[in-house]
Amino acid sequence: QSALTQPASVSGSPGQSITISCTGTSSDIGAYNYVSWYQQHPGKAPQLIIYEVSNRPSGVSYRFSGSKSGNTASLSISGLQADDEADYYCSSYTDRLTHIFGGGTKVTVL
Amino acid sequence: QLQLQESGPGLVKPSETLSLTCSVSGVSISSTVYYWAWIRQPPGKGPDWIASIFDGISTYYNPSLKSRVTISADTSKNQFSLRLTSVTAADSAVYYCVRQTPATSFDYWGQGTLVTVSS
Repeated sequence: QSALTQPASVSGSPGQSITISCTGTSSDIGAYNYVSWYQQHPGKAPQLIIYEVSNRPSGVSYRFSGSKSGNTASLSISGLQADDEADYYCSSYTDRLTHIFGGGTKVTVL
Repeated sequence: QLQLQESGPGLVKPSETLSLTCSVSGVSISSTVYYWAWIRQPPGKGPDWIASIFDGISTYYNPSLKSRVTISADTSKNQFSLRLTSVTAADSAVYYCVRQTPATSFDYWGQGTLVTVSS
């Protein structure tokens, strides 16, 4: 199974909004609403920030939002802050009862 | 509060077996709600799901690793484990033990343990 496709990097200025795409296939993203997103700061474990496409766990900022259209999921970050600078990974359940991750997107706050 | 802690050797020789244990506190791994999983992340790369276990019995594996991987659980100790045989340098990574929700997301992660495969 191939990894989900994410842009290598996205950047924005403080206060701006950015969007990260995550492209899969009809066997993963397109098959289920089981897309999740993770934020990872250097040297730390990934942290769940979006589950089931668009739901935020308790404690996660409203500035993070998720959506899906066809085989592509997206993560948007509004009001970009310095602490948002991190790596972001998408993940999806697949029709083979497995889980697949994206290669990651490095977000830089200019 | 739920906590997961990985333990095991940080250095494994090529062709040998990698064995890791995850100690869970704050919730029983016998729960019939959550799955328990292993995920690894090579340096500078994205995470890679390895395997999951549910109810201490039902197991699910990444097809690319299935022939070399075993996930198991010891409910009396509230621990679950990973065995990966015939390791090569490509298996060098940070290994995380993780709680998997019914919505198939990974909501609690251990701190991770770096395993290097080298002679």
